[in-house]
Amino acid sequence: EDQVTQSPEALRLQEGESSSLNCSYTVSGLRGLFWYRQDPGKGPEFLFTLYSAGEEKEKERLKATLTKKESFLHITAPKPEDSATYLCAVQAPPGNTGKLIFGQGTTLQVKP
Amino acid sequence: DGGITQSPKYLFRKEGQNVTLSCEQNLNHDAMYWYRQDPGQGLRLIYYSQIVNDFQKGDIAEGYSVSREKKESFPLTVTSAQKNPTAFYLCASMGLEGTDTQYFGPGTRLTVL
Repeated sequence: EDQVTQSPEALRLQEGESSSLNCSYTVSGLRGLFWYRQDPGKGPEFLFTLYSAGEEKEKERLKATLTKKESFLHITAPKPEDSATYLCAVQAPPGNTGKLIFGQGTTLQVKP
Repeated sequence: DGGITQSPKYLFRKEGQNVTLSCEQNLNHDAMYWYRQDPGQGLRLIYYSQIVNDFQKGDIAEGYSVSREKKESFPLTVTSAQKNPTAFYLCASMGLEGTDTQYFGPGTRLTVL
């Protein structure tokens, strides 16, 4: 069964304290891995798409990496405005239906 | 501005009532999706549609119905058969050529009174 697991469930950091969020997946053929940011009461905001092992993408203080079994979202010198829930999702065959399988999310709190 | 709109933002339903959640997009995307989000759980797929007048059940379709009469619109009806409808409902859309990224609307929070 295709599955996505994110850890930790919650993470508290001091401003400037770098850390990483983990997304482990088991799918029968990965088409793509997606990271979203979600603020309370709002829809997810797209961050990154990764397609193959070894791929990396960066945006401001965020860097996403991908291996054959997991993805990491590295947060460098976070600021309070980075506080949010970060969602990981994978897209697997069959076909190009676009169906995503989501993890339960990691809620990040950055204290000033 | 291009984007996805959902209405209403908050919706209250009495037991036994059907309610319809609206989702509209002006991104010219072919595919549209409905997800349900519960506290501490990942998003779960309810229904999706890749072309007008065609849609498929997702993982938790029981108690829900949809229609796709226009490319821009994909309304979701929560029927009285849905036993636990209180949740945050999210609509998404995706172009079927080039990018395969889903973009989400702002969501509708449904509460059963």
